Amino acid sequence: QSALTQPASVSGSPGQSITISCTGTSSDVGSYDLVSWYQQHPGKAPKHMIYGVSQRPSGISNRFSGSKSGNTASLTISGLQVEDEADYYCCSYGGSSNYVFGTGTKVTVL
Amino acid sequence: QVQLVQSGAEVKKPGASVKVSCKASEYTFTNYYMHWVRQAPGQGLEWMGLIDPSGTSTNYAQKFQDRVTVSRDASTTTVYMELISLRSEDTAVYYCARERPSTSYFDFWGQGTLVTVSS
Repeated sequence: QSALTQPASVSGSPGQSITISCTGTSSDVGSYDLVSWYQQHPGKAPKHMIYGVSQRPSGISNRFSGSKSGNTASLTISGLQVEDEADYYCCSYGGSSNYVFGTGTKVTVL
Repeated sequence: QVQLVQSGAEVKKPGASVKVSCKASEYTFTNYYMHWVRQAPGQGLEWMGLIDPSGTSTNYAQKFQDRVTVSRDASTTTVYMELISLRSEDTAVYYCARERPSTSYFDFWGQGTLVTVSS
């Protein structure tokens, strides 16, 4: 399975909203509502932010939201804050007990 | 608090094998799938494989099918990932991750283990 496609970088000013796309295929993102998103700061392990396309685990700010249309999932960060600057990865279930990550997006807060 | 504590950094020569451990605590070990994910320097996350809660079923990414083995020991609440025939491209940080039941996402991660393959 090929990696899901994400933009290499997205930037925004504090307080703005940004959206990161995650494009897969009809075999993964398009077939299952099992897309999750992870935030990773340099030198740290990833941290879950969204699961099941749009569900927020407890403790995750409601500034983070997820959605999906067809083969593309999206993560929106509203009210951008300095601490949101990190790498973000989507991940989708791909059937037959397989998973695939996205290529990753570096978010820069200007 | 759930903890996944991985073994320390390793340096291996090309052609060798490595076995990384992940010690789980503070939850019911036998109720959760466990996964391994790796990240090469400056690169993205790459899913490698999983093992079911009982340890009887595994599945691996096609890329690693013939080189990786994931196992678990309920008596020590430890999961293992062994990678054989190492090459320089296997230099990466290897993470174990717990899958939250029925959600297909990873809710807790180990701290990562750096494996360096160099002659």
